[in-house]
Amino acid sequence: QKEVEQNSGPLSVPEGAIASLNCTYSDRGSQSFFWYRQYSGKSPELIMFIYSNGDKEDGRFTAQLNKASQYVSLLIRDSQPSDSATYLCAVNMNSGYSTLTFGKGTMLLVSP
Amino acid sequence: EAGVAQSPRYKIIEKRQSVAFWCNPISGHATLYWYQQILGQGPKLLIQFQNNGVVDDSQLPKDRFSAERLKGVDSTLKIQPAKLEDSAVYLCASSQSSSSPLHFGNGTRLTVT
Repeated sequence: QKEVEQNSGPLSVPEGAIASLNCTYSDRGSQSFFWYRQYSGKSPELIMFIYSNGDKEDGRFTAQLNKASQYVSLLIRDSQPSDSATYLCAVNMNSGYSTLTFGKGTMLLVSP
Repeated sequence: EAGVAQSPRYKIIEKRQSVAFWCNPISGHATLYWYQQILGQGPKLLIQFQNNGVVDDSQLPKDRFSAERLKGVDSTLKIQPAKLEDSAVYLCASSQSSSSPLHFGNGTRLTVT
């Protein structure tokens, strides 16, 4: 069973702090990694994707990938109350074709 | 660029009834997905199409669920007969290729009573 694991949270941080969201995956051959944000009652929206080991920054968001440890994380700097949402980690697992498997998501709460 | 279109937005049916959902992907996107998202969980892939061919339907309950993608564009997902545990949001998504980011539609919230 190929899995994507996330802590369900909630992760509570004060406004202005750094929020760190973590994800592990079981398929060592996975090549593509995505972070989606989902507000309550809304559909997931893509925040970032990362393909190579290391860090990738986009504004206040940084994705970090460590394929050896099968670990991907999302850092949100200067967290805002509007960042309060569920963050879904998704991994493209190769089984002869690429399918995107989602974790259960981590709920982030940013308090003013 | 128009996004992924889904209809209806909401549907309430009784158990054992049938229901169908429709999806129109972003123009030019070859890969289309149907996901089921139960409250409090992440999306679960039901079926993935590459053009009009199925590449993964391993988690589709084939005794009651069916899906098709005619002419490699629009897709429909049908449930017949529905069960209480089918209550969920059904998300359609599309991508340029199977390794590209997914773009989701607004989803259809199904309630089975």
